[in-house]
Amino acid sequence: GAGVSQSPSNKVTEKGKDVELRCDPISGHTALYWYRQSLGQGLEFLIYFQGNSAPDKSGLPSDRFSAERTGGSVSTLTIQRTQQEDSAVYLCASSLASTVYGYTFGSGTRLTVV
Amino acid sequence: AQSVTQLDSQVPVFEEAPVELRCNYSSSVSVYLFWYVQYPNQGLQLLLKYLSGSTLVKGINGFEAEFNKSQTSFHLRKPSVHISDTAEYFCAVTYTNAGKSTFGDGTTLTVKP
Repeated sequence: GAGVSQSPSNKVTEKGKDVELRCDPISGHTALYWYRQSLGQGLEFLIYFQGNSAPDKSGLPSDRFSAERTGGSVSTLTIQRTQQEDSAVYLCASSLASTVYGYTFGSGTRLTVV
Repeated sequence: AQSVTQLDSQVPVFEEAPVELRCNYSSSVSVYLFWYVQYPNQGLQLLLKYLSGSTLVKGINGFEAEFNKSQTSFHLRKPSVHISDTAEYFCAVTYTNAGKSTFGDGTTLTVKP
């Protein structure tokens, strides 16, 4: 596709449930990033995939968070046993090879935990 | 540790006035610097970037930014703003070999008629 696609655009879930957020990067972009944007705050880095290298998971806030990238393309961010503090907009971005090209962001998934 | 500070959380200006949005980053030998813009109800998009070379970089919509290594700053400027420039602006820095960008908390620019 022409841009980075994220689904769903909105997700409301009950506390304690698991959720999966999906990201389809731009075709040919080898780098894929997940960030979280809480209300009135900046972007918090979560995880970064680059080609076939081991992902940089240094930003994941707890072991309830995990992500995978299949076939070097689509990525899924999974949050287990959701908590109210997980409510945020989850942003996916991709880049041609590395961050020097700048990111192309998706429109995000707004997650609300009730 | 990487850090980015956007010195103003909100900047209100009148239409056709000049504007400067300030950004400072923690010191490092080599960095890449970016400004992103998020218009209301839209995703973030790249406004401009500094990788190397000339310290003055020009971006879309008439914006420019100047890299100042001694002051570890990368301030964004526009000589005359329009109502349509109302948006949130994010400064980001990548320390070479880090692989990912660290973002500031954002500056909300509001242009008033």
